[in-house]
Amino acid sequence: AQSVSQHNHHVILSEAASLELGCNYSYGGTVNLFWYVQYPGQHLQLLLKYFSGDPLVKGIKGFEAEFIKSKFSFNLRKPSVQWSDTAEYFCAVSSHGSGNTGKLIFGQGTTLQVKP
Amino acid sequence: DGGITQSPKYLFRKEGQNVTLSCEQNLNHDAMYWYRQDPGQGLRLIYYSQIVNDFQKGDIAEGYSVSREKKESFPLTVTSAQKNPTAFYLCASALAGVLLSTDTQYFGPGTRLTVL
Repeated sequence: AQSVSQHNHHVILSEAASLELGCNYSYGGTVNLFWYVQYPGQHLQLLLKYFSGDPLVKGIKGFEAEFIKSKFSFNLRKPSVQWSDTAEYFCAVSSHGSGNTGKLIFGQGTTLQVKP
Repeated sequence: DGGITQSPKYLFRKEGQNVTLSCEQNLNHDAMYWYRQDPGQGLRLIYYSQIVNDFQKGDIAEGYSVSREKKESFPLTVTSAQKNPTAFYLCASALAGVLLSTDTQYFGPGTRLTVL
């Protein structure tokens, strides 16, 4: 069965520090990869996604993620975080197989707290 | 103003009662999804629907039921058979283009259900 693992459950950083959130998935076929973010009191929204092409994907608000197929990883990065990046971050995977249902498998989430 | 609405925002239920959560979208999306979010567990798929009058069980469908009589609406009923219904429930929709697995899912604001 597919699964997604996010290694860091709670991360605390100071402003301007660099961020890297780990995400690994288990699935042998072709996958699509997503990072969603949930700011306090707001809807869950898409940060970025990868489904083909350049494995380095750039998203909104200066975030990027790199798909490394050999490591089954899709880590999220930002060179310099801001207080407004405080949120919960979710990695998710969908597969081309299984009848193309669009089903997303989510990781457990990582809570990021940025101190001003 | 396009988007997904969920109501109510907070819902309290006594044990043994069924309760229905509303989800409406005006994005003209074909696919709709219900997720349950629990602390430390990420989001888990309850039910999904790719087209009107059709829906499929997700990973944790037991104790839940849905209907999809209209494209815009995908209500979720939490029945008394659901053993641990207290959670945050999120509805999502996607355009269902050529390859649904690559589509971005758009999320509603959620309903927090508490069973007393």
